[in-house]
Amino acid sequence: DAKTTQPTSMDCAEGRAANLPCNHSTISGNEYVYWYRQIHSQGPQYIIHGLKNNETNEMASLIITEDRKSSTLILPHATLRDTAVYYCIVLTDSWGKFQFGAGTQVVVTP
Amino acid sequence: DTAVSQTPKYLVTQMGNDKSIKCEQNLGHDTMYWYKQDSKKFLKIMFSYNNKELIINETVPNRFSPKSPDKAHLNLHINSLELGDSAVYFCASSQANNEQFFGPGTRLTVL
Repeated sequence: DAKTTQPTSMDCAEGRAANLPCNHSTISGNEYVYWYRQIHSQGPQYIIHGLKNNETNEMASLIITEDRKSSTLILPHATLRDTAVYYCIVLTDSWGKFQFGAGTQVVVTP
Repeated sequence: DTAVSQTPKYLVTQMGNDKSIKCEQNLGHDTMYWYKQDSKKFLKIMFSYNNKELIINETVPNRFSPKSPDKAHLNLHINSLELGDSAVYFCASSQANNEQFFGPGTRLTVL
């Protein structure tokens, strides 16, 4: 199973872009990169996913390096409500067997 | 309407008791999951059902028995509860693209 490595925590100023890195150097060719977040005591929330192309939706952008060994989640204009634990996950099988790691605790400050 | 709902939200019980947690999704998804989040906040998958058929069964004690009466429901029954079962249990559902929608969680406390 591909594993992911993320920083334990990071701070971000409100209104600024938050760039969250993730290393997944053992990813295989057919594995997707998913990002979820968990706001305190709530269920995890899907953010975005991609295979090899960069992706953007209303919540965030996902930049995947050409060798696919790392990716960056970008929250373009962080708000206080973006304070959460962010999980980078490599999907290990077609049945959605996610392996959640420790994630990155992001704190957005005024 | 809530997409994935769980009941109860909180459950406090004594060691040795048997309890159930219910999950329902109104998204029309074929696949449902149970996750456990322990005190260290690690989220681990326990079970997955696709169209009422068990497809993922992680190393979970057989005191835990999932039951899927139909594809919109996945209940979790736990026998002979132990202190270590205290955790937050999340239900989730997904369709073909594997984006999972999570419920609000059930906080189980075993005394």
